[in-house]
Amino acid sequence: DAGITQSPRHKVTETGTPVTLRCHQTENHRYMYWYRQDPGHGLRLIHYSYGVKDTDKGEVSDGYSVSRSKTEDFLLTLESATSSQTSVYFCAIRQESGNTIYFGEGSWLTVV
Amino acid sequence: GESVGLHLPTLSVQEGDNSIINCAYSNSASDYFIWYKQESGKGPQFIIDIRSNMDKRQGQRVTVLLNKTVKHLSLQIAATQPGDSAVYFCAERASYAGGTSYGKLTFGQGTILTVHP
Repeated sequence: DAGITQSPRHKVTETGTPVTLRCHQTENHRYMYWYRQDPGHGLRLIHYSYGVKDTDKGEVSDGYSVSRSKTEDFLLTLESATSSQTSVYFCAIRQESGNTIYFGEGSWLTVV
Repeated sequence: GESVGLHLPTLSVQEGDNSIINCAYSNSASDYFIWYKQESGKGPQFIIDIRSNMDKRQGQRVTVLLNKTVKHLSLQIAATQPGDSAVYFCAERASYAGGTSYGKLTFGQGTILTVHP
């Protein structure tokens, strides 16, 4: 499972509330990613990190922010959740010396 | 192949048959390709990968073929089993001259494989 843990796994929240999803990895990987998965759009990159405090935007970053204050944790924050952010969120990692990206088990978020 | 819109391509096969799942990728500058399998309620699981300097790579019961001329990727599964039923995604990584893509992948929308006993 590449040592990735996502939390919470399931969450229902109200429009306008802040939400933070956590990705925790135990194998000291440098690269971490947040993707969202929606019907008709597949997996799309939200943000990624290439080291502690080094992050950048992906293709669908509007409405999201991230933080990486230590190697093992990559946090995704929805400052004010909207219904369009109802989705399944996947964290992923890549080893510095490798090419393969491994995914976590996902966090199901519903914004009502 | 990959679809546009809400309906994914589907492939139905009998147990024991060989399956071929196709993917058309978009970026001629992509240098690395991966196939993932995703079961319902789970995250994508790595199956096999291939670099752009290769045209074929084999794993256990799976083979990936890459045709750069027509930007086409295929996944062949030998002796398909009911446990192979899932959504299969291809993904590509663009190369960046003088820089790095940081490993970012672009995904196709997937193909649903159903294996009947």
